[in-house]
Amino acid sequence: ETGVTQSPTHLIKTRGQQVTLRCSSQSGHNTVSWYQQALGQGPQFIFQYYREEENGRGNFPPRFSGLQFPNYSSELNVNALELDDSALYLCASSGDREGPGYTFGSGTRLTVV
Amino acid sequence: TQLLEQSPQFLSIQEGENLTVYCNSSSVFSSLQWYRQEPGEGPVLLVTVVTGGEVKKLKRLTFQFGDARKDSSLHITAAQPGDTGLYLCAGAQDYKLSFGAGTTVTVRA
Repeated sequence: ETGVTQSPTHLIKTRGQQVTLRCSSQSGHNTVSWYQQALGQGPQFIFQYYREEENGRGNFPPRFSGLQFPNYSSELNVNALELDDSALYLCASSGDREGPGYTFGSGTRLTVV
Repeated sequence: TQLLEQSPQFLSIQEGENLTVYCNSSSVFSSLQWYRQEPGEGPVLLVTVVTGGEVKKLKRLTFQFGDARKDSSLHITAAQPGDTGLYLCAGAQDYKLSFGAGTTVTVRA
């Protein structure tokens, strides 16, 4: 079975621009969660999608939005990029909304200049 | 602000030594998970503990969940250079994981 794949692996954007990050969940997993990991920190929960609907959201502004598709792949969109958005963005999939364990992708390293 | 506090933040030991990493919180979790993350990679799940007081062993790694389900520890016996990495604890509440800031472990050969 394939794991979680994310694209692109690295990205450089200018402040004010918009970005779309993509995630293919592990085969058989219907739940996708997105996390932001700043340098030297643990991942912070952004939101979760379950069967194409947002199932929960962390403390992130509305300019962070997402989608989940019928094949359970997902996108994270960030508008009006700020310098503090520079981070590793991680996608995690699971076969259940509450885990018990998540499979993480390798992440997308976003740098905002 | 991290919901879970991990200690120590950094740990550097010689191959063959033992180490313990702690994860503490004032919140109760339905389960607690430990992950290891290597540079340029996503976290990899090591174990999930669910029951208060639970102890799980994976080869040289021993994980314990506190009786009140608020804290946990990870103990590595006879550490090897391959154990080097960032160790993250994460508490599960409903649909989300709350992570600690991590403990960077370096095992010198």
